[in-house]
Amino acid sequence: GENVEQHPSTLSVQEGDSAVIKCTYSDSASNYFPWYKQELGKRPQLIIDIRSNVGEKKDQRIAVTLNKTAKHFSLHITETQPEDSAVYFCAASIQGAQKLVFGQGTRLTINP
Amino acid sequence: DTEVTQTPKHLVMGMTNKKSLKCEQHMGHRAMYWYKQKAKKPPELMFVYSYEKLSINESVPSRFSPECPNSSLLNLHLHALQPEDSALYLCASSRGQGKTEQPQHFGDGTRLSIL
Repeated sequence: GENVEQHPSTLSVQEGDSAVIKCTYSDSASNYFPWYKQELGKRPQLIIDIRSNVGEKKDQRIAVTLNKTAKHFSLHITETQPEDSAVYFCAASIQGAQKLVFGQGTRLTINP
Repeated sequence: DTEVTQTPKHLVMGMTNKKSLKCEQHMGHRAMYWYKQKAKKPPELMFVYSYEKLSINESVPSRFSPECPNSSLLNLHLHALQPEDSALYLCASSRGQGKTEQPQHFGDGTRLSIL
């Protein structure tokens, strides 16, 4: 079955700097890759997703890149703000499988 | 605003109790999910309902019994739970099966404690 590895497990950056979180997946059939942000005590919130027919997607300060050949995808957050502090989960899914396989999460801390 | 509503927000129960978790969505989604999330871990899929039919059961113990009464509601019936079942139980929904995988939207969860 699919396996998703996420790095780093913790990340601390200065406010205004960029943050990058990386994930690799094992099943080449996976073709949908969402990213979720989960603040303490709250629900996972979808922040961006990408499908395998696209190499990059951007939404304001957030971008995701996908390298199908290497089977890895990354989340990029620019101009970080204190409210970006949270746990971020990547996930992968095979089309139609309705089964998200999550990475272990990255705790991002933005230092003022 | 949360478009997937879960009740109760917190639940404390003994190992011999029977209780139910409820989930509701009014987005017209035809796929609904139950996840279990332990502290500092990712959500772990338990069940998937697609068009009100159980399509995925991730080998969950029978003390967890899902039910989908209609396209908007999803229940999780609990009986004879163990202390290790204490966790955050998340419900999610998505548009449903099709050629393209659709985003899953999560509710706020029920924090369950087993005494």
